[in-house]
Amino acid sequence: KNEVEQSPQNLTAQEGEFITINCSYSVGISALHWLQQHPGGGIVSLFMLSSGKKKHGRLIATINIQEKHSSLHITASHPRDSAVYICAVYYYNTDKLIFGTGTRLQVFP
Amino acid sequence: GAVVSQHPSWVICKSGTSVKIECRSLDFQATTMFWYRQFPKQSLMLMATSNEGSKATYEQGVEKDKFLINHASLTLSTLTVTSAHPEDSSFYICSARDFPSDYEQYFGPGTRLTVT
Repeated sequence: KNEVEQSPQNLTAQEGEFITINCSYSVGISALHWLQQHPGGGIVSLFMLSSGKKKHGRLIATINIQEKHSSLHITASHPRDSAVYICAVYYYNTDKLIFGTGTRLQVFP
Repeated sequence: GAVVSQHPSWVICKSGTSVKIECRSLDFQATTMFWYRQFPKQSLMLMATSNEGSKATYEQGVEKDKFLINHASLTLSTLTVTSAHPEDSSFYICSARDFPSDYEQYFGPGTRLTVT
């Protein structure tokens, strides 16, 4: 069983829609990453957070430590947002990232 | 922001040959670098963790004699796939971290290896 669960696995949206991707993890963490990967491309780090909320442009990431849950929101989605979004965590006392299975997002014009 | 480069971006080689992939941190010193492998439509699989000046730590199931990792300087780590086979064809991604206690990781653009 993957220790980092993402939902949904696949997501389609119309341009302009508000999108939410969820991530749940099982025990205490030191930090959580949201990553983006375009088809055939490399990994881009969108956010690293350990508490609260961060915003960058149309992207917002939140984390609830007590609930062991994080969300990535995309406002006013655009076809160029089509990519795989990956949640990854550092559990306490570990030196490596544990990855979720990813959410494949397609935004249609 | 911090940039990590990989070279080559893609490579095709014949079975039995060796291939070296370089990972460089361009504007920071990376005390720790990670090598990942990614199969189509799957998530990243950590292969090994390398710290500058010491031997790499390989994940269970990864053959250290087949995937040679060297982290000789604070800005360069290399992954050599020895005696490559078609099943080694994959997307290899490195990432780098500048301090042991810093949880920020910067990813390279990846290298696509095809073994014929």
